[in-house]
Amino acid sequence: NAGVTQTPKFQVLKTGQSMTLQCAQDMNHEYMSWYRQDPGMGLRLIHYSVGAGITDQGEVPNGYNVSRSTTEDFPLRLLSAAPSQTSVYFCASSYSDRGSYEQYFGPGTRLTVT
Amino acid sequence: KNEVEQSPQNLTAQEGEFITINCSYSVGISALHWLQQHPGGGIVSLFMLSSGKKKHGRLIATINIQEKHSSLHITASHPRDSAVYICAVGQGAQKLVFGQGTRLTINP
Repeated sequence: NAGVTQTPKFQVLKTGQSMTLQCAQDMNHEYMSWYRQDPGMGLRLIHYSVGAGITDQGEVPNGYNVSRSTTEDFPLRLLSAAPSQTSVYFCASSYSDRGSYEQYFGPGTRLTVT
Repeated sequence: KNEVEQSPQNLTAQEGEFITINCSYSVGISALHWLQQHPGGGIVSLFMLSSGKKKHGRLIATINIQEKHSSLHITASHPRDSAVYICAVGQGAQKLVFGQGTRLTINP
């Protein structure tokens, strides 16, 4: 199993550009989520999904869209990039184990918006 | 006040020392997670626990639900243990709230 994969690893955007960060998992996990990691802020939840066709907002959803058309894929779209979106983005998946959810993280995408 | 507080924020120790990292939280949780992140690297789940104690090799994690406190211990620390250790509390299926992390450096 490849686990959780993310592409690209690095990306530089200009303010106002749009792009999609890709996330895929091959473990048949129901749950997937996107986090951003900023210095001094820790990880924060952007959006999450509890199954194909079902998504919800996390703590910092503004400026981002998600969709979940298949169990495997959970892309994150930046609609109009802003310098405040410069961050490292992690995708994670998990499954239910008697009410607890062990997390599997992707390798991250480092995004710089100029 | 953050919902998840870790201490210390930074910790430097000599190889072989016993290490303790603490995590306190103020919200109801379904489980508590300890994660490890190496410099420039991805995030790996070390433990997920909802009660008691778990051990994996030289790592031990404990949780006291009544006191809303967890500790991560590393015995016989080694330079390869140098990393950021992150405590996160789960509030349902996919909603984690993270501490700010503890940067651990083990000198040879």
